Amino acid sequence: ELKVEQNPLFLSMQEGKNYTIYCNYSTTSDRLYWYRQDPGKSLESLFVLLSNGAVKQEGRLMASLDTKARLSTLHITAAVHDLSATYFCAVEGNNYGQNFVFGPGTRLSVLP
Amino acid sequence: GAGVSQTPSNKVTEKGKYVELRCDPISGHTALYWYRQSLGQGPEFLIYFQGTGAADDSGLPNDRFFAVRPEGSVSTLKIQRTERGDSAVYLCASSFGGAIAEAFFGQGTRLTVV
Repeated sequence: ELKVEQNPLFLSMQEGKNYTIYCNYSTTSDRLYWYRQDPGKSLESLFVLLSNGAVKQEGRLMASLDTKARLSTLHITAAVHDLSATYFCAVEGNNYGQNFVFGPGTRLSVLP
Repeated sequence: GAGVSQTPSNKVTEKGKYVELRCDPISGHTALYWYRQSLGQGPEFLIYFQGTGAADDSGLPNDRFFAVRPEGSVSTLKIQRTERGDSAVYLCASSFGGAIAEAFFGQGTRLTVV
């Protein structure tokens, strides 16, 4: 059974600080996805990582993928309050790319 | 519409009742997905439609859950004899092709079974 784990599950940090969220998965997938979810809102696609060593950056967020270690990281640089949300990583559940297995989510709270 | 629309946004029902949750996908999207998100957890796959047919229903937890998409557009998720454990946010997503990675998610229906 494919498992996707994230840590930490809860993260409270001050504005201006840096931190990294980790996503581990148990399959040999070479593609991994990051989503953001605000309370009561839908899932918003953040990053699509399609190969080993892929690195994507958008503003204060940077995601990377190490398929050999089955590990992806989401690094937050100089956090701001607007980044407060829950972040999910997801891996395709089968070879057809028709469904995702999501991690449990990391609830990030950035304090002023 | 501009995005995936789900109705109702909130539904409270009594244990044992029947409920229907509706999803209006983005116009022209042939693929439609249902996920369930329990409190504090990530979304879990329920069912995937390609056109009118359920291409993969392996995520439906039991036979109380059923989904249809009779005309290949709107989909309805039906839950019979609801249980308190069914309480969750039910998310719908749609995509032009069959790749979940290209899908857009709706805001979900929050179902509470009391």
